[in-house]
Amino acid sequence: EVQLVESGGGLVQPGGSLRLSCAASGFTFSSCSMDWVRQAPGKGLEWVSYISGSSTIYYADSVKGRFSISRDNAKNSLHLQMNSLRAEDTAVYYCVKMGSSGSLDFWGQGTLVTVSS
Amino acid sequence: EIVLTQSPGTLSLSPGERATLSCRASQSVSSNYLAWYQQKPGQAPRLLIYGASNRATGIPDRFSGSGSGTDFTLTIRRLEPEDFAVYYCQQYGSSPRLTFGGGTKVEIK
Repeated sequence: EVQLVESGGGLVQPGGSLRLSCAASGFTFSSCSMDWVRQAPGKGLEWVSYISGSSTIYYADSVKGRFSISRDNAKNSLHLQMNSLRAEDTAVYYCVKMGSSGSLDFWGQGTLVTVSS
Repeated sequence: EIVLTQSPGTLSLSPGERATLSCRASQSVSSNYLAWYQQKPGQAPRLLIYGASNRATGIPDRFSGSGSGTDFTLTIRRLEPEDFAVYYCQQYGSSPRLTFGGGTKVEIK
């Protein structure tokens, strides 16, 4: 059974940093592309970042230069380092496995990041 | 940048009725890399359809996807009580790597 468990969310002041982690199990993690997707309270879904199995990386323009995605294939873990956080980064952050045809076939339960003074 | 526009914003229907949801792309979606998701309050999204028309594992056959190029449709043949939710389309391709539509809420009439 595929499981994705996020951790690291919480309350942080504007300009602060936070590191999210995602523990993956139930599939061959090193072979799979992974994404972070976020959802602000009461809003729709927003893609944040992508990393392939071989660590090709992409970012949404809204986070480029501030967020950094990484993976540890030996530990089956995915990370998102978030710096220079802004109020508009407040959202639930989902760790997501990429499946066929660019779809997102398994989602974690999400971790809430709140940026506020 | 490919922008996905979903319509209508809200669909008010009764159980047993047919739901037709639209997703229109500002440019052609490459290789039909178009997916649909269902999201219920307090839950993570769930993949319904990938590759425009392929049902994901465990998805009932009352859900179907169609379309190509810039126009895609999600059809729910006969709405069950558990189908009332928000639905999102998503494309995968060139930069930005992924984009989502704004969502369609299917509510009980």
